[in-house]
Amino acid sequence: DTGVSQDPRHKITKRGQNVTFRCDPISEHNRLYWYRQTLGQGPEFLTYFQNEAQLEKSRLLSDRFSAERPKGSFSTLEIQRTEQGDSAMYLCASSLGSGGDEQFFGPGTRLTVL
Amino acid sequence: GDSVTQMEGPVTLSEEAFLTINCTYTATGYPSLFWYVQYPGEGLQLLLKATKADDKGSNKGFEATYRKETTSFHLEKGSVQVSDSAVYFCALSRRGEGQLTFGSGTQLTVLP
Repeated sequence: DTGVSQDPRHKITKRGQNVTFRCDPISEHNRLYWYRQTLGQGPEFLTYFQNEAQLEKSRLLSDRFSAERPKGSFSTLEIQRTEQGDSAMYLCASSLGSGGDEQFFGPGTRLTVL
Repeated sequence: GDSVTQMEGPVTLSEEAFLTINCTYTATGYPSLFWYVQYPGEGLQLLLKATKADDKGSNKGFEATYRKETTSFHLEKGSVQVSDSAVYFCALSRRGEGQLTFGSGTQLTVLP
């Protein structure tokens, strides 16, 4: 399968715990994006990478959130000290280049914070 | 900042009915415009796109025209099928930037 994959698909955690999600983009894609989607809403942009460089972060991304893309391949999104408001679907997408290029989305990681 | 406003759902139609889902946007410059679709249990997929004014994107019988004067990108299909039942998202991206700004989505249900 050459699509975008995400792991885990579901994560249940207790408030205050740290969680980490992984995204594997399509292999030749140099851009990788993270979005968050809550029920009944469209995805909201969090951050994106061009190769290994993190080029932009949304104001939605609090200090408890950090993302990395070592070596410009897979990416991880870590949330520290989770809060109930962090419960959402976290989506990863990748694209070949910049604006106007199709973004291919992964299936998402559903986070539930108890 | 940039924003996308979509027609609120849910929308329920009978098979072979005509579909319109309205989408308007606010953005500086000349963004690229997209319609993404999310079928039940699946991830988001690009349905169609348009990158400049008066462009028409089309795919699977769906069409949308980039109207700069009305800042709109309405999605249309002449005859919907049960298999078109899904959530449809309108989105934009600014030139030179990759991140998408999405509308809130419109749930479409097509009844046989």
